[in-house]
Amino acid sequence: QQPVQSPQAVILREGEDAVINCSSSKALYSVHWYRQKHGEAPVFLMILLKGGEQKGHDKISASFNEKKQQSSLYLTASQLSYSGTYFCGTEGGSGGGADGLTFGKGTHLIIQP
Amino acid sequence: GAGVSQSPRYKVAKRGQDVALRCDPISGHVSLFWYQQALGQGPEFLTYFQNEAQLDKSGLPSDRFFAERPEGSVSTLKIQRTQQEDSAVYLCASSLKLGVQGAIREQYFGPGTRLTVT
Repeated sequence: QQPVQSPQAVILREGEDAVINCSSSKALYSVHWYRQKHGEAPVFLMILLKGGEQKGHDKISASFNEKKQQSSLYLTASQLSYSGTYFCGTEGGSGGGADGLTFGKGTHLIIQP
Repeated sequence: GAGVSQSPRYKVAKRGQDVALRCDPISGHVSLFWYQQALGQGPEFLTYFQNEAQLDKSGLPSDRFFAERPEGSVSTLKIQRTQQEDSAVYLCASSLKLGVQGAIREQYFGPGTRLTVT
């Protein structure tokens, strides 16, 4: 089942913070985050494995709550280059690659100067 | 090094025609995935290869869709008797072998092939 992302869209001023949420109705093995700019390929941001870990690099971080089957992506002090559509992709069950990733519908992020 | 490449980038087909979409993954990447992305939607899983073995094809929407990876590198997605509902961007992604815990590793996507069926 497709994970639900919220919000669907958000408009920020440069330097503001954003949180994008991803929620699933099924048990998750891993959560992936990608960013896609219009007309381009999705670009990998990070993976979180079950275990409730949190990851981050630069000003982008994410958390994964296995029990709640939820993940959140945190963008701090947003830059113009952060604009794009953010997708979470979930891997369910016990992993193994079957079914690939199930992606949400995406969150459109617009950063204004 | 070179990333994932796909060809053609754009394809216009008349309804009923057959099409073949090619994917060249990153060298050494064992896993290869095909996704279909409709306008304004997230990518939707079609099929998965590990080397030349097609381990999962549960996402292929009908028996008109067929994928192969005969030598474990280049892959081709073929759509027979195309229909208008097949219009979408077809994305290919490759990754290293599944991680120690069996989880899917980070996927590197190609630019996609935009298929328009008229």
